[in-house]
Amino acid sequence: SQTIHQWPATLVQPVGSPLSLECTVEGTSNPNLYWYRQAAGRGLQLLFYSVGIGQISSEVPQNLSASRPQDRQFILSSKKLLLSDSGFYLCAWSTSSNQPQHFGDGTRLSIL
Amino acid sequence: KNQVEQSPQSLIILEGKNCTLQCNYTVSPFSNLRWYKQDTGRGPVSLTIMTFSENTKSNGRYTATLDADTKQSSLHITASQLSDSASYICVVLSDSRNDMRFGAGTRLTVKP
Repeated sequence: SQTIHQWPATLVQPVGSPLSLECTVEGTSNPNLYWYRQAAGRGLQLLFYSVGIGQISSEVPQNLSASRPQDRQFILSSKKLLLSDSGFYLCAWSTSSNQPQHFGDGTRLSIL
Repeated sequence: KNQVEQSPQSLIILEGKNCTLQCNYTVSPFSNLRWYKQDTGRGPVSLTIMTFSENTKSNGRYTATLDADTKQSSLHITASQLSDSASYICVVLSDSRNDMRFGAGTRLTVKP
């Protein structure tokens, strides 16, 4: 069966520090991969998606970047965090854009 | 303006009662509509996915309806349980690749 792992579950970082969140998927190959942010009381916002290794599409301009160094690994990064980067970050995968997405348990990021 | 509007924003019901959540959308062209359940601090889990030709789809005590003409969907929960307490998110996928629009969700609380 397929599984998706995100870590860490929670993270507290100072403003201006770098960020690296990792997401890995097991049990499937060549998945579509997604990064979302969910602000408190708000809907999900798609940040990045990838349909293959090295292929990254950005949905909104921001202080973050994404990379896909391996087929089932998706990384969300920042060189310098801002206060506005606080939120709940979710990684998801799907077999194709028309299929349901399967989400990880998220990373709660707090910027101080 | 968000292209997916959910109502109510929050809802409190007693255990055993039924409830209906609404989703209105303006996304076009339409590909499919999805309902997700998100427990607090967890990633969303897919409940149903409906295409243009589907009017009703059930998943246990959850029944989703879709009226593509009026661009409305509902999620009906029968005989609610305490574990149904969660946010329910409506997502509409356009025919454009990976163009997903998320509702802000309905926060459901089931009380004993």
